[in-house]
Amino acid sequence: QVQLQESGPGLVKPSQTLSLTCTVSGGSISSGVYYWTWIRQPAGKGLEWIGRIYISGSTNYNPSLKSRVTISLDTSKNQFSLKLNSVTAADTAVYFCARGVGAPNQYYFDSWGRGTLVTVSS
Amino acid sequence: EIVLTQSPATLSLSPGERATLSCRASQSISYYIAWYQHKPGQAPRLLIYDASNRATGIPARFSGSGSGTDFTLTISSLEPEDFAVYYCQQRSIWAPLTFGGGTKVEIK
Repeated sequence: QVQLQESGPGLVKPSQTLSLTCTVSGGSISSGVYYWTWIRQPAGKGLEWIGRIYISGSTNYNPSLKSRVTISLDTSKNQFSLKLNSVTAADTAVYFCARGVGAPNQYYFDSWGRGTLVTVSS
Repeated sequence: EIVLTQSPATLSLSPGERATLSCRASQSISYYIAWYQHKPGQAPRLLIYDASNRATGIPARFSGSGSGTDFTLTISSLEPEDFAVYYCQQRSIWAPLTFGGGTKVEIK
């Protein structure tokens, strides 16, 4: 079965760019109809959908984050990535990558990573 | 944005008891709701999709129901491994997908 693993710096300075990578194993990121997604969870709060990318390269982002987010795909490495710029303390959260199944903007998540904590602090 | 409100925030029960978790949507989402189980340090797990369909490998003690704005996840008889946090998620075509705030099922 497919497995997802997040990686990246655990500490980012305010105003800088948060960069995370999700490595997919047990299956090709290029096969099937899946929506490769980033989700985050600030401490003590609920889950927040950040955005997704499809194998065609098409993306869809949460309107509240759209101006700061970029999600990209690297099929040669079976990875997809998140960049969030101009971060503040409010972006401190556990970041999850997940695989969405369903329709382009209507999907559920059948596989998730365990999450990685990113702290924004000077 | 469609807001999902989960209740109760915490449910204290003993193994063998029945758990009933609620998720209410701020507007109708038909049957487009999923439920996830999340344990600390683990990847969340999809339990139920489209309100009442069990995901692959999910035990029959987990069931979902509801439509429109009110949804329920029922665990018929709690096993020790079921104590976790449960989230609902909607995938309505009318708004970005959102999650509920979660219900923690803890051992009484």
